[in-house]
Amino acid sequence: AQSVTQLDSQVPVFEEAPVELRCNYSSSVSVYLFWYVQYPNQGLQLLLKYLSGSTLVKGINGFEAEFNKSQTSFHLRKPSVHISDTAEYFCAVSEKNQGGKLIFGQGTELSVKP
Amino acid sequence: GAVVSQHPSWVICKSGTSVKIECRSLDFQATTMFWYRQFPKQSLMLMATSNEGSKATYEQGVEKDKFLINHASLTLSTLTVTSAHPEDSSFYICSARARGPYEQYFGPGTRLTVT
Repeated sequence: AQSVTQLDSQVPVFEEAPVELRCNYSSSVSVYLFWYVQYPNQGLQLLLKYLSGSTLVKGINGFEAEFNKSQTSFHLRKPSVHISDTAEYFCAVSEKNQGGKLIFGQGTELSVKP
Repeated sequence: GAVVSQHPSWVICKSGTSVKIECRSLDFQATTMFWYRQFPKQSLMLMATSNEGSKATYEQGVEKDKFLINHASLTLSTLTVTSAHPEDSSFYICSARARGPYEQYFGPGTRLTVT
């Protein structure tokens, strides 16, 4: 069965510093990978997705992620964070031919401090 | 584009009553809608998948008689929490997927509090 592990539950970082949020997944078949952001008491917004092709994926708000098949990872990065990036980030995986069903990681709380 | 709305955004109900939550895709036809539940400081857990015109598929451990899901049209799905109890208090989020693009669009969520 597929699963997603986000290795850090909380990541504190200073403004303008780089950040990496780690995500590993487990699946026996090909997958699609996603990163979502959730602000307090709101739904989820898609940051970026990997479906196929280039393993380096660029998303909104300056975020990017790299799909590493051999390490079954999909880490999210941003070279310089802003206070407004403070939010909960979720990594999600969907197995191909599963009708779009998403399995989410536990979430990483990114806290950007001035 | 690709906007999903939920109504109500928050609701308080008394134990034993039922409450209905609506999920609408405003500018696209959603062939599939998903319902998630999220407890404070936790991740989203998929409750069920609904396809337009057919019965919902519930995840293991989700009581189908308690959480009634109807997907009557390509733009509307409803979740009814029947005989609600305090332990049903949670944040309920729906998402919608159109045919083709492999992407789900999420609603803003509904905060349910059962007293």
